[in-house]
Amino acid sequence: QVQLQESGPGLVKPSETLSLTCSVSGDSITGYYWSWIRQPAGKGLEWIGRIYSSGSSTYKPSLKSRVTMSVDTSKNQFYLKLISVTAADTAVYYCARGLLGELLNWGQGTVVTVNS
Amino acid sequence: SFELTQPPSVSVSPGQTAKITCSGDALPKQYAYWYQQKPGQAPVLVILKDSERPSGIPERFSGSSSGTTVTLTISGVQAEDEADYYCQSADSSGIFVFGTGTKVTVL
Repeated sequence: QVQLQESGPGLVKPSETLSLTCSVSGDSITGYYWSWIRQPAGKGLEWIGRIYSSGSSTYKPSLKSRVTMSVDTSKNQFYLKLISVTAADTAVYYCARGLLGELLNWGQGTVVTVNS
Repeated sequence: SFELTQPPSVSVSPGQTAKITCSGDALPKQYAYWYQQKPGQAPVLVILKDSERPSGIPERFSGSSSGTTVTLTISGVQAEDEADYYCQSADSSGIFVFGTGTKVTVL
């Protein structure tokens, strides 16, 4: 069965770039949509965006100016970059897989704190 | 983009039925999905396309849709069903939105 694992720095300084990797095992990354979702402590889920295995992406409008997603099919990985971070970007970040409108498989999440 | 509104909390006794609503103007045109999230864990999809149950999800979880409201029903609630529940949908351009979330407490 497919497994997703997020990785990246747990601490990012304000104004710098948050970079995360989602590694996919147990299935090919090809033919699926891959999303990033975040959740500040004690708050609800926020969808950041998604990328198809071909590289076509869609982002949440309010984050679009700061977000870039990419995919590397040879490594079975996809990536999130969020520039100019502030304390408001502190959250648990999840990656997830879907076929159409659903988020069927999720990673365990990784905590990212924005602090100097 | 659109919004999805859920009640903040629902309380239910073991063995009873819990109903969680999710309202949004886009729901007559778009499918809804439901996720269960227990403390410290990633969300789990429990309902897709308004009313379909993914493999491995107990039959006591069901979904329905009527107009601008979708409903997640948990029949015969068990203690292990205590969790946060989120609805989710997407607009025509593929922008996903989550509901505000509902905490289900089993009394």
